[in-house]
Amino acid sequence: NAGVTQTPKFRILKIGQSMTLQCTQDMNHNYMYWYRQDPGMGLKLIYYSVGAGITDKGEVPNGYNVSRSTTEDFPLRLELAAPSQTSVYFCASSQDRGRQPQHFGDGTRLSIL
Amino acid sequence: QKEVEQDPGPLSVPEGAIVSLNCTYSNSAFQYFMWYRQYSRKGPELLMYTYSSGNKEDGRFTAQVDKSSKYISLFIRDSQPSDSATYLCAMSVTNDMRFGAGTRLTVKP
Repeated sequence: NAGVTQTPKFRILKIGQSMTLQCTQDMNHNYMYWYRQDPGMGLKLIYYSVGAGITDKGEVPNGYNVSRSTTEDFPLRLELAAPSQTSVYFCASSQDRGRQPQHFGDGTRLSIL
Repeated sequence: QKEVEQDPGPLSVPEGAIVSLNCTYSNSAFQYFMWYRQYSRKGPELLMYTYSSGNKEDGRFTAQVDKSSKYISLFIRDSQPSDSATYLCAMSVTNDMRFGAGTRLTVKP
């Protein structure tokens, strides 16, 4: 009964480093999402995917990349990490984009120093 | 004007109090309305899900939607310390979802 699983839970990066945040879901959902959550700012959509091989930009895509090779996995790649990318990142999935609620993982806390 | 407005609080109440959490929105096309609860260092978890206007009750929780006023509410009866969390409202049309910034609630024993 795992739902949405994110790894790692916590990471510290140096400016300019790269890393991949992993996300896996076992609910066979077509839609997957990446959000960042900053204090007092709510959830901002970074990228989303409507199925394997199909991704699209959200509200704040700059500095990030995604891929979706399987239904289950939706990794988020940070290239050339910047302090502005310090945040908590949440992955979510849903049966469809608007009519069904999204199910979230427990997040990755990322600090860039 | 933000598409979804939610008072960030913080809100502090004594155990047993009735809590009222609210969101307003500007897009009249929203049809699906949700409340999520987020504990510290955890992801948002779905608490209530409603379609269109009206009330929905689940145990101590009641969700209300007033589409004419573009206003949604979550009521918590007999609040418990375990209800201490951040509550996010969310609303959607068929291909898009928007979240409020969240209200931080503390229920004191």
